[in-house]
Amino acid sequence: AQSVAQPEDQVNVAEGNPLTVKCTYSVSGNPYLFWYVQYPNRGLQFLLKYITGDNLVKGSYGFEAEFNKSQTSFHLKKPSALVSDSALYFCAVRDGSNYQLIWGAGTKLIIKP
Amino acid sequence: GAGVSQTPSNKVTEKGKYVELRCDPISGHTALYWYRQSLGQGPEFLIYFQGTGAADDSGLPNDRFFAVRPEGSVSTLKIQRTERGDSAVYLCASSLASGSNTGELFFGEGSRLTVL
Repeated sequence: AQSVAQPEDQVNVAEGNPLTVKCTYSVSGNPYLFWYVQYPNRGLQFLLKYITGDNLVKGSYGFEAEFNKSQTSFHLKKPSALVSDSALYFCAVRDGSNYQLIWGAGTKLIIKP
Repeated sequence: GAGVSQTPSNKVTEKGKYVELRCDPISGHTALYWYRQSLGQGPEFLIYFQGTGAADDSGLPNDRFFAVRPEGSVSTLKIQRTERGDSAVYLCASSLASGSNTGELFFGEGSRLTVL
């Protein structure tokens, strides 16, 4: 069965420091991996995706994520956090033969000035 | 507007009442999805439309839930005999291609349903 785990309910980072939001997954086929962000009272917004190719993918707002097949992980990263990055982040996965996205429970990212 | 529009943004109703939630997707998007999101959880898949037809309704929790998309654009999610457990944010998303696409979904801001 497909599944996504975001092991941290909340991540706290000081502004200017690097941030990592963790995601691990389980799918039966080739994974298609996504990160979305949800700001308060706003809809989910696409950040980035991995389908194939380079394991390091770059997305919106300076975020990037690294696909690691052996560890079945797709951690979200940013070299220097901004207070405005504070939001709820969701990892999602589907395999190549199924359009249904399976979502993690979300990680609340808090960036402190 | 250019984005996915959902109405109402908030709906408070009494247990047992009927509710309709509307989604207006991005123009030209053939795929439309309904999700439900409870506090502290990720979105839960309800139903997927490709054009006018429901390609997959396996996520609908029971027969009180129904959705239509008669002209392949606007969709309505209908909930009969609402229960307190139906309280959640109902999210609509659309995308350009069919269910095999690798592109991202575009989400509306959601309709928050509260059943008293």
